[in-house]
Amino acid sequence: EDQVTQSPEALRLQEGESSSLNCSYTVSGLRGLFWYRQDPGKGPEFLFTLYSAGEEKEKERLKATLTKKESFLHITAPKPEDSATYLCAVQANAGNMLTFGGGTRLMVKP
Amino acid sequence: DAGITQSPRHKVTETGTPVTLRCHQTENHRYMYWYRQDPGHGLRLIHYSYGVKDTDKGEVSDGYSVSRSKTEDFLLTLESATSSQTSVYFCATLNAGNYGYTFGSGTRLTVV
Repeated sequence: EDQVTQSPEALRLQEGESSSLNCSYTVSGLRGLFWYRQDPGKGPEFLFTLYSAGEEKEKERLKATLTKKESFLHITAPKPEDSATYLCAVQANAGNMLTFGGGTRLMVKP
Repeated sequence: DAGITQSPRHKVTETGTPVTLRCHQTENHRYMYWYRQDPGHGLRLIHYSYGVKDTDKGEVSDGYSVSRSKTEDFLLTLESATSSQTSVYFCATLNAGNYGYTFGSGTRLTVV
């Protein structure tokens, strides 16, 4: 059974204080690992897809990395508008659905 | 995103009444999903569809049924709503381009 665990559950940062969110996973053959951002009252929005260990993707202040067992979402010099819940999900080679972690709620204070 | 529309956005209903939530997509995606999202449980799969009239159960399917008579529409029905079904419901489609999901904006359902 595919499993995804995200940590921490919640993270409070000061504006400009860089940090990382963790996503640990077990999957029977990884097709893709996905990061989403979810704002209150809205549906999750796609950020990145990572396909193989060693791969990295960047978008503005966010960088996602992937190993064989976990993924990190690095946030560099965050701003208050980066406050959101970040979701990680995996898709197995044999499947057509995603398994989600519980999310990390990020709060960035000015 | 603009490609998926969920209706209604908010609904309050009484225990024991049937409720139908609608998901409409304009992208002609084959796979569609219904999730519920609750604090402490994250996103949990209710039902999914892999084509017109082809559906299957997810991990929390009890008390729910679905139908897909057209590619663009996926309906979720609560046969007899209970307070435990108070939740936010999200519809999603599988994007063949990057193998990820596109989500709708959600329906907040309250059962009183």
